[in-house]
Amino acid sequence: RKEVEQDPGPFNVPEGATVAFNCTYSNSASQSFFWYRQDCRKEPKLLMSVYSSGNEDGRFTAQLNRASQYISLLIRDSKLSDSATYLCVVMDSNYQLIWGAGTKLIIKP
Amino acid sequence: GAVVSQHPSRVICKSGTSVKIECRSLDFQATTMFWYRQFPKQSLMLMATSNEGSKATYEQGVEKDKFLINHASLTLSTLTVTSAHPEDSSFYICSAVVGNSNQPQHFGDGTRLSIL
Repeated sequence: RKEVEQDPGPFNVPEGATVAFNCTYSNSASQSFFWYRQDCRKEPKLLMSVYSSGNEDGRFTAQLNRASQYISLLIRDSKLSDSATYLCVVMDSNYQLIWGAGTKLIIKP
Repeated sequence: GAVVSQHPSRVICKSGTSVKIECRSLDFQATTMFWYRQFPKQSLMLMATSNEGSKATYEQGVEKDKFLINHASLTLSTLTVTSAHPEDSSFYICSAVVGNSNQPQHFGDGTRLSIL
């Protein structure tokens, strides 16, 4: 079993729709969680950190469920510019980042 | 936000050439920088952790004599791919952390290395 698992997609979503991704992690001692987005052939960019209480940044909402060991990302009112690969990242107790393989999102007009 | 600059962005060279990639933190000091490699459609893979003023820590399977890392100052780390071969062709990305180790990493633009 991979340490961090994501559905690779692609998720084909019409513009304006709401889309959600989940990511599961295997190490219960993981301490920090992040969502990054990566555009084709570009570097990852931090989208948001994920806090235990859940957090929201504009159209993006992240949730953490420690009991079930998953994090989620919700995108509301999706835009064409949201098309990218979304990477789930988990930091272990040694401050090492464990990367998911990413979920590809395609927003269609 | 924190800015990390990486140079060059694209390298195409012949097999056997050594290639140096620079990673700079532009508006903050980075005690620790990280070097990753990403093959097409795969996850980022950590190669090594670069610590200012000390030797880098390499991940299992990464040859330290092949991938030389020098972190000479708090704003610059370099990765040299020595005697590069076609199988070294990849996307190399550096990152740095602002503040404590539990903070998110910020990435440079990446270097696309193609060895002919």
